[in-house]
Amino acid sequence: GQNIDQPTEMTATEGAIVQINCTYQTSGFNGLFWYQQHAGEAPTFLSYNVLDGLEEKGRFSSFLSRSKGYSYLLLKELQMKDSASYLCAVEDSNYQLIWGAGTKLIIKP
Amino acid sequence: DAMVIQNPRYQVTQFGKPVTLSCSQTLNHNVMYWYQQKSSQAPKLLFHYYDKDFNNEADTPDNFQSRRPNTSFCFLDIRSPGLGDAAMYLCATSSGTGDVNEQFFGPGTRLTVL
Repeated sequence: GQNIDQPTEMTATEGAIVQINCTYQTSGFNGLFWYQQHAGEAPTFLSYNVLDGLEEKGRFSSFLSRSKGYSYLLLKELQMKDSASYLCAVEDSNYQLIWGAGTKLIIKP
Repeated sequence: DAMVIQNPRYQVTQFGKPVTLSCSQTLNHNVMYWYQQKSSQAPKLLFHYYDKDFNNEADTPDNFQSRRPNTSFCFLDIRSPGLGDAAMYLCATSSGTGDVNEQFFGPGTRLTVL
């Protein structure tokens, strides 16, 4: 079966750094996405990885290891507005997104 | 601005009373998706269209149907809503071409079933 695992909830302090991990087992791999979802709102695209390595985009970076079926999202200089759920999603061989349940990130002052 | 629009944002219906949710897009994307998302859960794909090619996920209940009359619009019909159908319904689009199949989401319709 297809499976995406990520922690249910994490807590971090404003100004700090947090790493949200995601492991996956899917039938095929055409890329991995990270989305941010604030409570009651729709997901918004953050990053995309298809090759191994680190993709940096401002305060957010995303890493992929295809051999390990592993990715992480790194958030630096945390701000209160970063409090949200972060969803990992893998595009499988049928070009469909397999979604994780999301990691709820709580930022404390 | 190009976008994905969903109406209404909030829908209240009675148990068993049919309801239709709508989605429109100005992105001119080939692919449109309907997801159901319950609290603290992953979005669950119900249907997707590549142009007019309709794809029904194997575990989508028969109670749900969808229509895409043209490129811009897509509808989700719930024939006889049950209490378990209360959820956020998300419409998304993607170009279906290019290397990155990023999905763009509308703001969602939150369905309450009384």
